[in-house]
Amino acid sequence: AQSVTQLGSHVSVSEGALVLLRCNYSSSVPPYLFWYVQYPNQGLQLLLKYTTGATLVKGINGFEAEFKKSETSFHLTKPSAHMSDAAEYFCAVSGGSNYKLTFGKGTLLTVNP
Amino acid sequence: DAGVTQSPTHLIKTRGQHVTLRCSPISGHKSVSWYQQVLGQGPQFIFQYYEKEERGRGNFPDRFSARQFPNYSSELNVNALLLGDSALYLCASSLGGTGEVDTQYFGPGTRLTVL
Repeated sequence: AQSVTQLGSHVSVSEGALVLLRCNYSSSVPPYLFWYVQYPNQGLQLLLKYTTGATLVKGINGFEAEFKKSETSFHLTKPSAHMSDAAEYFCAVSGGSNYKLTFGKGTLLTVNP
Repeated sequence: DAGVTQSPTHLIKTRGQHVTLRCSPISGHKSVSWYQQVLGQGPQFIFQYYEKEERGRGNFPDRFSARQFPNYSSELNVNALLLGDSALYLCASSLGGTGEVDTQYFGPGTRLTVL
């Protein structure tokens, strides 16, 4: 069985500040990890993914995430927040049978001017 | 290239009715997955189809069913609608091969409201 915990349902930052969204996972098999972003009234857009290899993964819009197996974490960061980053962010895990994504409950990011 | 498309965009039904939601995958993708996203929650896996066969099913009642057509498009059917079925229904498309990670790309969703 797999699960994802996103710490903090709501994160608020100032424009230009560091963005850090936390994700911890549980998986009995080597995980594949994903971050998706959802803008209001829209579907999910893939930001980045970790499969194998390099543990620091770079995605779109300046986001990156680091896979830390010892901490079972896959936190999402961006050095400088932009107003357009305001959205809901979902961490997800798959693995093993590879057909199902298990999502966290999401973190709503607010960016203040 | 066109992304994943879903229809309709919005739908209002009453309790006890039946609904059919439709999804067209990205060209070249052979797998379609369906997810339910209740307000304030992350998406929950309902089904995945690959090459017209059901590959996986989530913890949803038998009122939920789906199928995939030869052109890889898919329908999700929900019978005897309940108020709790009100949600955003997301379709995701992927290549569907085994071995490598199968990245899923999502459509815009169908917003279902049950009154």
